[in-house]
Amino acid sequence: QQKVQQSPESLSVPEGGMASLNCTSSDRNFQYFWWYRQHSGEGPKALMSIFSDGDKKEGRFTAHLNKASLHVSLHIRDSQPSDSALYFCAVIYNQGKLIFGQGTKLSIKP
Amino acid sequence: NSKVIQTPRYLVKGQGQKAKMRCIPEKGHPVVFWYQQNKNNEFKFLINFQNQEVLQQIDMTEKRFSAECPSNSPCSLEIQSSEAGDSALYLCASSLLGFAEQFFGPGTRLTVL
Repeated sequence: QQKVQQSPESLSVPEGGMASLNCTSSDRNFQYFWWYRQHSGEGPKALMSIFSDGDKKEGRFTAHLNKASLHVSLHIRDSQPSDSALYFCAVIYNQGKLIFGQGTKLSIKP
Repeated sequence: NSKVIQTPRYLVKGQGQKAKMRCIPEKGHPVVFWYQQNKNNEFKFLINFQNQEVLQQIDMTEKRFSAECPSNSPCSLEIQSSEAGDSALYLCASSLLGFAEQFFGPGTRLTVL
């Protein structure tokens, strides 16, 4: 069964600091890794996707994929209080359905 | 702001009752997904459609859940006989392509008493 593992479960970072989240796929037959963010009372919103080895940067967010280890990380620089949310890694293996990790609760302390 | 519209936002049902929720996908998106997010924030894929056709669904969906995406009408997800374990946030998402970004609605929070 395809599974997505995230770590840590929760993370506290001071405002202006760097937050680093991790995600691993159990199956190497993936198409895309996605990072989603969910604020309380809202649906998830996509931050970025990655499918090639290496780094992908979008604003303050950088994703890094290592296909050999099936591992992707998300780094948020200059963290803001509005970044406090649940962060989910989700993998598309086939037919488009997302398999989500269990999430990381990120808290940014002013 | 979510462009995927879900109604109602909150739904309370007794055990054994039917529960129906609706979703209007983002305009021009032919692919629609339904997910269940439980109180532990775990997601479960339920079913997806391309236009009006079912692409994939899990066993649970086949047995107690029914869903459709008729043309020119909202998509819907209905639980025939609600159980306490069905209490969750039901999220609808739409996308242009199967592997493209999925845009989520705010969800329908179902509570089964």
